[in-house]
Amino acid sequence: NAGVMQNPRHLVRRRGQEARLRCSPMKGHSHVYWYRQLPEEGLKFMVYLQKENIIDESGMPKERFSAEFPKEGPSILRIQQVVRGDSAAYFCASSPPGPTSGNTIYFGEGSWLTVV
Amino acid sequence: SQQGEEDPQALSIQEGENATMNCSYKTSINNLQWYRQNSGRGLVHLILIRSNEREKHSGRLRVTLDTSKKSSSLLITASRAADTASYFCATDDAGNNRKLIWGLGTSLAVNP
Repeated sequence: NAGVMQNPRHLVRRRGQEARLRCSPMKGHSHVYWYRQLPEEGLKFMVYLQKENIIDESGMPKERFSAEFPKEGPSILRIQQVVRGDSAAYFCASSPPGPTSGNTIYFGEGSWLTVV
Repeated sequence: SQQGEEDPQALSIQEGENATMNCSYKTSINNLQWYRQNSGRGLVHLILIRSNEREKHSGRLRVTLDTSKKSSSLLITASRAADTASYFCATDDAGNNRKLIWGLGTSLAVNP
């Protein structure tokens, strides 16, 4: 049972370009989360999705950032017109359906975005 | 907003010694989790402790939770060089287990 798969692991973009980060949850998991980790900081929640639905996007910047989790295929975090401040590690996590109490979420290895 | 705050920020010990890290949080929680992150890698879940539990063990790890003080501690006994990593606590957001709030982490260095 493969873990949470993220790609690319490392991505370099010039200012103004678009970054697309992909996440395939663990098998059987229907919930996906995206977190961002800035250098020397802890993780910050960005968005929580279920298949075809955004459940909570309270941590997403209002502009340039979007996320989706289509019926088929991986979840995608898209950052348009990247700026240097978007340089960070972006972590995807997944969890199974069911009661929320005490659910552990499982993290991928992260995608490190560098904006030059 | 920052929920968990770990202390110390950095800890350096010798192999075989015990390492204790602390985490404080601000709001009511259902559970608190500790994760480990090796440099440049993802987060590995270590242990989850529920709000009605006071202590939990897993191998060389011992976690305590004091809800009256809104604090938790992670003890790693008989440390090894391979324990060198950053350790983060994460709490659920006002009972929403789907959204974790993280501290800044404690960077642990175990010297051989």
